[in-house]
Amino acid sequence: NAGVTQTPKFRVLKTGQSMTLLCAQDMNHEYMYWYRQDPGMGLRLIHYSVGEGTTAKGEVPDGYNVSRLKKQNFLLGLESAAPSQTSVYFCATQTAGALHTQYFGPGTRLTVL
Amino acid sequence: EDQVTQSPEALRLQEGESSSLNCSYTVSGLRGLFWYRQDPGKGPEFLFTLYSAGEEKEKERLKATLTKKESFLHITAPKPEDSATYLCAVQPRGGGGADGLTFGKGTHLIIQP
Repeated sequence: NAGVTQTPKFRVLKTGQSMTLLCAQDMNHEYMYWYRQDPGMGLRLIHYSVGEGTTAKGEVPDGYNVSRLKKQNFLLGLESAAPSQTSVYFCATQTAGALHTQYFGPGTRLTVL
Repeated sequence: EDQVTQSPEALRLQEGESSSLNCSYTVSGLRGLFWYRQDPGKGPEFLFTLYSAGEEKEKERLKATLTKKESFLHITAPKPEDSATYLCAVQPRGGGGADGLTFGKGTHLIIQP
């Protein structure tokens, strides 16, 4: 039982390159989230999904796209990376309904040069 | 707009020296307040969820309390392994419990032997 996993753990991109971050979960949770964490700031929500085939914008969605084709996977894409997207990205999952906890993955550290 | 403010930003204690971390919040109806622990290079690890004013929860040397405007994380007789960044987050009412969390910037706690 791996819980929430993220791939890759580290990545370095050049400005303008594209990439996809993968979040996978084996907890059968309905809700999935992407956050970013920057020095001196709290975690901020990028996008989230309440189920397969659905996505919604969070606080800082610009420059990112997401897809949830399978319940267990949530993909975060950067079409044209910018230095401002240098950050640590965390995926989280939660079971459906109120009064439930979000569980986080180990993170992906992305540097955009 | 939901806001979470944590204080102090950093705290250094001697082993065995008890203290409290503060989390002040403003939210348009509180569904839940969450405490997480984050070790360097890792994802946030869930500690507690509090739902209503007056609620208290304990785990080993940690106790979390909640009022209508703030939460405290009390640490009793801490050990060096309690050193970490402690994050506070709120989830607003509404959205069916699917809303993302609003995080504070965290308190970096160091326990010296």
